[in-house]
Amino acid sequence: GAVVSQHPSWVICKSGTSVKIECRSLDFQATTMFWYRQFPKQSLMLMATSNEGSKATYEQGVEKDKFLINHASLTLSTLTVTSAHPEDSSFYICAPWRGGTDTQYFGPGTRLTVL
Amino acid sequence: SQELEQSPQSLIVQEGKNLTINCTSSKTLYGLYWYKQKYGEGLIFLMMLQKGGEEKSHEKITAKLDEKKQQSSLHITASQPSHAGIYLCGATDDNYGQNFVFGPGTRLSVLP
Repeated sequence: GAVVSQHPSWVICKSGTSVKIECRSLDFQATTMFWYRQFPKQSLMLMATSNEGSKATYEQGVEKDKFLINHASLTLSTLTVTSAHPEDSSFYICAPWRGGTDTQYFGPGTRLTVL
Repeated sequence: SQELEQSPQSLIVQEGKNLTINCTSSKTLYGLYWYKQKYGEGLIFLMMLQKGGEEKSHEKITAKLDEKKQQSSLHITASQPSHAGIYLCGATDDNYGQNFVFGPGTRLSVLP
């Protein structure tokens, strides 16, 4: 199956710093990228949807200035958590959508802990 | 690491028919989630099951988690074309509720 990587897999940072999470589709081109976050024992929550070369569409309640999404190429998307605070601690999952198919892939996730 | 399998891979049913989708885990499930996805769109959360033997319903969709917490089924009664899409099960593999993994999905088509 298709391979999706996320880097880093886990990160611990101090409050106020920014953290960048990379998501790469290693063997296919992702025309659409979904970013999700998950709080412990809760469902995934869709944060935003981005199409290559376009601005991301954010879900209601998700601050676009805090969670910067860049989908510069068909194989790379980044999520930057700016000025992170402890409440941003969560598990972040990218989900690249392979254009022309109905197959959804998922990254392995990044666990962010903000101290 | 935990793996999820789903069966069937794809399903085509006539409108009005009942259907069942299964999700099987290689390990004990601490939290089992069912999602629906339409082509090119984000996941839509359907239900979450945590306790062995638990059953939940939403409109015409019922999901169950077996007593051993290693298998879940999603049952749709009197299917409609609006039920068409990809159904994915997801699960957490630890008691802290993180490390999310997904099944490969079941593609459902409902013929009018």
